[in-house]
Amino acid sequence: AQSVAQPEDQVNVAEGNPLTVKCTYSVSGNPYLFWYVQYPNRGLQFLLKYITGDNLVKGSYGFEAEFNKSQTSFHLKKPSALVSDSALYFCAVRDKGYSTLTFGKGTMLLVSP
Amino acid sequence: EAGVAQSPRYKIIEKRQSVAFWCNPISGHATLYWYQQILGQGPKLLIQFQNNGVVDDSQLPKDRFSAERLKGVDSTLKIQPAKLEDSAVYLCASSLDRTSGSYNEQFFGPGTRLTVL
Repeated sequence: AQSVAQPEDQVNVAEGNPLTVKCTYSVSGNPYLFWYVQYPNRGLQFLLKYITGDNLVKGSYGFEAEFNKSQTSFHLKKPSALVSDSALYFCAVRDKGYSTLTFGKGTMLLVSP
Repeated sequence: EAGVAQSPRYKIIEKRQSVAFWCNPISGHATLYWYQQILGQGPKLLIQFQNNGVVDDSQLPKDRFSAERLKGVDSTLKIQPAKLEDSAVYLCASSLDRTSGSYNEQFFGPGTRLTVL
């Protein structure tokens, strides 16, 4: 079975500071990993994904994520947060031999001016 | 490129009534997904179609939920009869994936917020 853990319900950061949203995963094989963002009353939007290759993945809106196989983590990062980054962030995992995507429970990111 | 379309956006019904949701995926996307998102939780897959066929419906409560994807394009999700615990946002998504081993990202519609009273 595959699973995702997002240990923080909420992350607070001041505008201009770096941000990190944590994600750990569990799969039986090699993972495909994704980050999505959800703004109020809207569907999820794709940010970035890790399939293979370079452990540092760059995505939309200046976000990046680092795949760490030994720690089974895929933390989302941004060097300088914007107030407009405030939203709900979901990490998701899919085992390469499996067709279903499993989402974490989400982390609310609040960026204060 | 047009996104995933869903209707209605909001629906309020009483328990034991029936309800149907409609989804039109992005043109050319072979795979279509229906998710249930309960407040405070991540989306949970209900059913996954690849073209006309069902790939995974293991978490679909088949005694009350049904879904179809005619002609491999549009899809409808039905609940009959609805229960209070069905109150949630129902999200439709689509992707280019043509095989189970693919890894394309999913594109989500805005969702339908269902309230069961």
